[in-house]
Amino acid sequence: GQQLNQSPQSMFIQEGEDVSMNCTSSSIFNTWLWYKQDPGEGPVLLIALYKAGELTSNGRLTAQFGITRKDSFLNISASIPSDVGIYFCAGRRTNTGNQFYFGTGTSLTVIP
Amino acid sequence: GAVVSQHPSRVICKSGTSVKIECRSLDFQATTMFWYRQFPKKSLMLMATSNEGSKATYEQGVEKDKFLINHASLTLSTLTVTSAHPEDSSFYICSAARQVNTGELFFGEGSRLTVL
Repeated sequence: GQQLNQSPQSMFIQEGEDVSMNCTSSSIFNTWLWYKQDPGEGPVLLIALYKAGELTSNGRLTAQFGITRKDSFLNISASIPSDVGIYFCAGRRTNTGNQFYFGTGTSLTVIP
Repeated sequence: GAVVSQHPSRVICKSGTSVKIECRSLDFQATTMFWYRQFPKKSLMLMATSNEGSKATYEQGVEKDKFLINHASLTLSTLTVTSAHPEDSSFYICSAARQVNTGELFFGEGSRLTVL
C-alpha cells in the first residue's frame, strides 16, 4: 500500500522547545489527519484537516493542510515530557472509500 | 470522542492454528472498518477495508485467504489469521470512521499477535 514520506524520522529535543514535522505525498489529498501513538497502543487522533491552506490548533498542537494539497505540517509548541511518542500523518485521496494511508512516522523524544 | 475497541489485546498461538481478532465500534455504527498491520518501529500498513454486508477489499499483496475479514454487523468486524506462521506475528489495529464525509478515523487499542 501507499505510504507517505514523513520527516524527520526522529527528533531529540529539550523540554520547552518547539517541534515541527511534515508529511509529503506525490498524490493530492483531500484530508489529512495527525495521530500520536504510544508504545503498544493504537494511534490517537490529534487534528483533522479538510481544506487546502487550513490551519487548525489543538492546545499546543497546530497543523496545516498544505496549499498544494500534497503536504501537511504539524507543530508542537513548548514541548513537555508527555509529548514523547510516535507521530503519524495520514492522508486520504478521495471522498469515497475512506482509505487512509500513513506516513512513516516521527519519533519524538523530549529531554527534561 | 468515538470509541473503537479490539479484542484480544494480546494473543499467543501455535504455528498452524487460526486466530480471530474482533473490532467493535462502541458508540457509533460503522459501515466501513479498516484493518492495519504494524511492524515494530514501523508505520501502519493498510491491509483491507471491511464493508458491512459485503466482501472486504484487500490491498495489493495482502492474501485474502490468509486474512479473513467478516463485517457481520454495523458495530463488529473480525479479522481471522488462518494457519498462522511466525511471520504473521505483528501488531494488528482496526479503525472506523464515525461519519463517511468527515472521514475521521478512530483506532482500536491494537492486538499483539505472537505465533510460536
